[in-house]
Amino acid sequence: ELKVEQNPLFLSMQEGKNYTIYCNYSTTSDRLYWYRQDPGKSLESLFVLLSNGAVKQEGRLMASLDTKARLSTLHITAAVHDLSATYFCAVAPYNNNDMRFGAGTRLTVKP
Amino acid sequence: EPEVTQTPSHQVTQMGQEVILRCVPISNHLYFYWYRQILGQKVEFLVSFYNNEISEKSEIFDDQFSVERPDGSNFTLKIRSTKLEDSAMYFCASRPPNLGQAGNQPQHFGDGTRLSIL
Repeated sequence: ELKVEQNPLFLSMQEGKNYTIYCNYSTTSDRLYWYRQDPGKSLESLFVLLSNGAVKQEGRLMASLDTKARLSTLHITAAVHDLSATYFCAVAPYNNNDMRFGAGTRLTVKP
Repeated sequence: EPEVTQTPSHQVTQMGQEVILRCVPISNHLYFYWYRQILGQKVEFLVSFYNNEISEKSEIFDDQFSVERPDGSNFTLKIRSTKLEDSAMYFCASRPPNLGQAGNQPQHFGDGTRLSIL
C-alpha cells in the first residue's frame, strides 16, 4: 500500500525566513502534486511534478522531485503571512491515476 | 474557469439516516473521485470512478457507501446508514481524460460538503 509521509506536520516561522517541507513516499511514482488548503476551504493545486529532477517555482514557493529517493520538497523563501495555510503533497503510483495524500503541513507565518 | 460544484455546502443528519452528497464535475472530465477530511486531519481517498464504474476504493468505502452517475452531469455519494464517525468534510474531485499530457493534470476539487451527524 502506498504510504505518503510529510514532515513537519506543524511549522511556525517568522516572516522573511526560509524553510523546507518534505514529502516521502513508499512506492514507484511518476507524478507528485502539491496542494494548498486554507482553513475551511477546498484544495488548490500548486505544482505538478512529473519527472526525476523536476523543479517548479511560483512566487516564494519552489517544489522539486527526486524519484530515486522517493522524495519531494516544497521550499519557502522569505515567508510572508499570506503563505499561512496547510500544504499537502499527493502521489499517484506508477500506472495508476489515483492519488494518496500526505498528512499535511500546517504552516503559520508570524510577523 | 470551470469548477467542480458540490451541494449542499452543509448537511446535518440524524445518525442512522441516509444521506446523498451531490457533485457536478467539470464537463469534459472523465475521472471522478470522492475524498473525506475529518476536521483538522488528512485528506483520505474514498473512491474513484471511471467509465460508469468504480475503478478503485479504499477500506473506508464499505457497504454503507455507494456512488452513482445518474445522468451526464451529476456524481453522487450515498451513505446508507450514517454513523457519528461519518462526520467530516467530503470533497468531490474530477480530472481530464488521459490524452497525452492531460492525464498528468491535477485533480480539481470542489468546495466540499460538511456532513454533521447528530
